[in-house]
Formats: sequence, structure tokens, C-alpha cells
Amino acid sequence: DAGVIQSPRHEVTEMGQEVTLRCKPISGHDYLFWYRQTMMRGLELLIYFNNNVPIDDSGMPEDRFSAKMPNASFSTLKIQPSEPRDSAVYFCASSRRLAGVGGELFFGEGSRLTVL
Amino acid sequence: SQQGEEDPQALSIQEGENATMNCSYKTSINNLQWYRQNSGRGLVHLILIRSNEREKHSGRLRVTLDTSKKSSSLLITASRAADTASYFCANSGAGSYQLTFGKGTKLSVIP
Repeated sequence: DAGVIQSPRHEVTEMGQEVTLRCKPISGHDYLFWYRQTMMRGLELLIYFNNNVPIDDSGMPEDRFSAKMPNASFSTLKIQPSEPRDSAVYFCASSRRLAGVGGELFFGEGSRLTVL
Repeated sequence: SQQGEEDPQALSIQEGENATMNCSYKTSINNLQWYRQNSGRGLVHLILIRSNEREKHSGRLRVTLDTSKKSSSLLITASRAADTASYFCANSGAGSYQLTFGKGTKLSVIP
């Protein structure tokens, strides 16, 4: 299996620009998660999907952030407009089951976003 | 918040020594998991321990869980330079099915 695939690996953009991060989960995994990692706040869960449906988006910081999962093999996280404080590493992860019932997360390599 | 806290924040040891990292959490849990993150890479699952388990082994890894103290420890025996990474505990709280991560322990193993 190729694992969770994220793109781009690095993105540098200017404040106000739209940013789209992409994720391909592991085939057969019903759950997809978007996390953000910063030095100050550590790993934060932004949103997760079950069978392509958003279940909990309470971690999405602002309306500038949106996430979609149009099919089982693709998800996007969009920031519009971007701000310097959005600079972070964004991880996508997938799993067969939720952690509460013993599921483990498989992470992608992350997308490092720098907003100037 | 269910966020756990790892202790120490950073640890530097010589190759061959054992490394112990601790994790505390605030609420009752379904299970607790440990992950490793190499610099610039994604997190990799190491081991899961359920709330009704006290100890679990996987190769050179040993994890303990003390639910009365709301704490867990990860022991890496006979450390190698390749073990240099950040280690995170993550808990799934009772009533929540998601994982909440701590801020990690940065382990450096000196050859």
C-alpha cells in the first residue's frame, strides 16, 4: 500500500492568497482526519470525515478554513484568504476505525505551509 | 482538555542506554497510543494500550499504563541512533472517539 499521500509537501504563499492542500487516504480506510502541527500548540485536530461525510469540524479555527471529501480517495483542506498565523505543518491521516475502538492513525508526510 | 503532556520535553542519551518517556492525561480514557515522528516526517504508530491493560511489549518497546494516576510511560531499551525522533502519546477519552495528542518528547540518541 502506498500509504497516505499528501500534496504539496511545501507551500510558500503570500498573505491573502488561497491555499489548497490535498490528501489521498489509504484505500479501505473509512475515516480521514486533518491535523495541524505547530510548535506552540502541538497537534490539533481540525476536522474528520467518516465515509466522506464531515463528522466533527469543531477544530476548524475560522470560516477561512474549509474541507471537503468528494469521494473515498480524495480530500482537500482549503484556506482562503491565508494569513501568516496559518503557517504550520498540516497532516492528513486515515484509519479503519476510530481511536475509541482501537483504531490507529496512518499519517501522511505533511504539507508545510508558510504564509508570508 | 484531554490533551496529554509528555515528560521530559527533551531527552539526550548515549546509544545502548534505555530511554524512558512519561505521559500524563486528564480524563478517563478508552486507550492510549504512542507515536514516533522523525524530523520532517509524518507520525508513525508504535503501540496501543487499552484502559484495562497495565503493560504491553513490542520489540524493544515497553509501555505501561496506570489509570489511577492517569499516566503512561514508554521505555525504549538498548537505544540506537535511529531511535532519534519525537515521541507522542495520544489518548482517546471515554465518550470521545478521537485522538488527542500531547506535545511530545524529543529524544536524541548519541552514537
